[in-house]
Amino acid sequence: KAGVTQTPRYLIKTRGQQVTLSCSPISGHRSVSWYQQTPGQGLQFLFEYFSETQRNKGNFPGRFSGRQFSNSRSEMNVSTLELGDSALYLCASSPGAWPLQETQYFGPGTRLLVL
Amino acid sequence: AQSVTQLGSHVSVSEGALVLLRCNYSSSVPPYLFWYVQYPNQGLQLLLKYTSAATLVKGINGFEAEFKKSETSFHLTKPSAHMSDAAEYFCAVGRPNAGGTSYGKLTFGQGTILTVHP
Repeated sequence: KAGVTQTPRYLIKTRGQQVTLSCSPISGHRSVSWYQQTPGQGLQFLFEYFSETQRNKGNFPGRFSGRQFSNSRSEMNVSTLELGDSALYLCASSPGAWPLQETQYFGPGTRLLVL
Repeated sequence: AQSVTQLGSHVSVSEGALVLLRCNYSSSVPPYLFWYVQYPNQGLQLLLKYTSAATLVKGINGFEAEFKKSETSFHLTKPSAHMSDAAEYFCAVGRPNAGGTSYGKLTFGQGTILTVHP
């Protein structure tokens, strides 16, 4: 099976712009979660989608949004970029819902640099 | 709220020596626990997971971890370090929320960078 894929892998934007990141989960997986990784804050949960519905959301401002399509692919959008949004954005997919033995499989990430 | 503490942001060992990376969690109920490894400029790779079956969990690349409820710990070990083990390791805890409507949220520790000397 192909793993989780994320596009693009690298991105450079300027403050005030917006950006859309894409994630394709492992075939058959219906849950997609997004995380932000920075040197200062570590790995922080952004949100999770399951069957096109947002199931949980982390403590991020409303500039961060996401969606999931019927084929389970997911996108996240960051509007009005700030310098502090520079990070590695990781997408993870898992088969379904608890209480199954859920394991999240991570993609390679999209590295975003905001200038 | 659940949290994860990894003791030691940097651990250095010699090749062939024992690797011990420490992880303590706080959770009111037994959680699902995971260890992930991250190599430079890559995503996270699952090493092993605890899901309330056996308390001693074996993972890939010779790693194993033991769930100790009394100590709320889930330390990662490997008997003999290899140069290729040099990476950053993350302990994570996951469980659904009380209402069962939230899934797929992992809380991570701050990570431990493992250096292996020849």
